[in-house]
Amino acid sequence: SQQGEEDPQALSIQEGENATMNCSYKTSINNLQWYRQNSGRGLVHLILIRSNEREKHSGRLRVTLDTSKKSSSLLITASRAADTASYFCATDESNYQLIWGAGTKLIIKP
Amino acid sequence: DGGITQSPKYLFRKEGQNVTLSCEQNLNHDAMYWYRQDPGQGLRLIYYSQIVNDFQKGDIAEGYSVSREKKESFPLTVTSAQKNPTAFYLCASSRQGGTGELFFGEGSRLTVL
Repeated sequence: SQQGEEDPQALSIQEGENATMNCSYKTSINNLQWYRQNSGRGLVHLILIRSNEREKHSGRLRVTLDTSKKSSSLLITASRAADTASYFCATDESNYQLIWGAGTKLIIKP
Repeated sequence: DGGITQSPKYLFRKEGQNVTLSCEQNLNHDAMYWYRQDPGQGLRLIYYSQIVNDFQKGDIAEGYSVSREKKESFPLTVTSAQKNPTAFYLCASSRQGGTGELFFGEGSRLTVL
């Protein structure tokens, strides 16, 4: 079953600009996570936000969660070439597994 | 350094053959997972294990088998019964079962010739 859906599917911006990607989900959650995947590599955990949190920061990353709209956004400020990757959100639909979106492919142009 | 090691990174298989993908972790994590990733799609859970000698089917377990004889190891066998096995396979672990942070290996790309 697929719950998280990222938007946009692809995003191309100039280095130094901010990148925003969104994730929507369908049912109530306890937490939502964001991961990054470089091409052909494994996923790396970026940040986890709980349902009672509205905003969380980690370095150049800012994640917001709006449980009333069942949506989350990931903002990457002052983008760099190394930020080029796919970004996935994952929600906890059940007690035993995460449900993943299809991802946003981010390209940072030099 | 602690982490998850998957091997091989690339694997080619002829139709009708079984292949086994290795996943080893030295993070002392209880839970381990196998995911399949196809282009343009999210991860889909194949099998997971929350403790040694126990594992559960995920959403797409048909044509796959696993074992968990040691805490550190969770190999995945792609059997000839899997109709469309060409994909990128990812192994992950977490400190305990449930839906907390996952740590991933670098993946194994299987191609059926």
